Amino acid sequence: AQKVTQAQTEISVVEKEDVTLDCVYETRDTTYYLFWYKQPPSGELVFLIRRNSFDEQNEISGRYSWNFQKSTSSFNFTITASQVVDSAVYFCALSEAGNNAGNMLTFGGGTRLMVKP
Amino acid sequence: EPEVTQTPSHQVTQMGQEVILRCVPISNHLYFYWYRQILGQKVEFLVSFYNNEISEKSEIFDDQFSVERPDGSNFTLKIRSTKLEDSAMYFCASTLTSGVFNEQFFGPGTRLTVL
Repeated sequence: AQKVTQAQTEISVVEKEDVTLDCVYETRDTTYYLFWYKQPPSGELVFLIRRNSFDEQNEISGRYSWNFQKSTSSFNFTITASQVVDSAVYFCALSEAGNNAGNMLTFGGGTRLMVKP
Repeated sequence: EPEVTQTPSHQVTQMGQEVILRCVPISNHLYFYWYRQILGQKVEFLVSFYNNEISEKSEIFDDQFSVERPDGSNFTLKIRSTKLEDSAMYFCASTLTSGVFNEQFFGPGTRLTVL
């Protein structure tokens, strides 16, 4: 069965600091997708990135970067030069090819990031 | 850009009442999902729906819950005899196909409060 663990329940940083959010996953499938979503105080889920299990290249998008390492089953998310607007709950999620529910997502418990001015 | 919509944004109901949460998936999508997020907790899968029938459901999705696609556009979640612990944010999602490489699009959620 699939599982996603976000060990950091809450992180507090000061604006302009870099911060890394950890995500560790478990799956028996060799084909899967990993996701990060942002949930601001307004409650909606904002899609940030999707990564497939065959592509371990790190990705950078502006101040965001992702480090995918299959050897440690981790998909960590780094925000560089954090801003107050980055304050939100961030969820890591996994979708397996082998489940019967199409691409049902399994979410981690989330990390609440607070960026103070 | 096409998007998933959900109504209402906030629903308040009395314990024991029935509620229907509505979703309009993206028009050409074929797979539909409901997820639940109890306040302060993680997002949990409830059910997936394809070709007018449930394709998978979690242990949370018991006889109290039902889903329906009553017409070509709406996808509904019905909760019978609501309980206090049903208070949560309910997210609808849709995707074009079932392949794992297809992105799932989420609606903005309906916050259900059971008093």
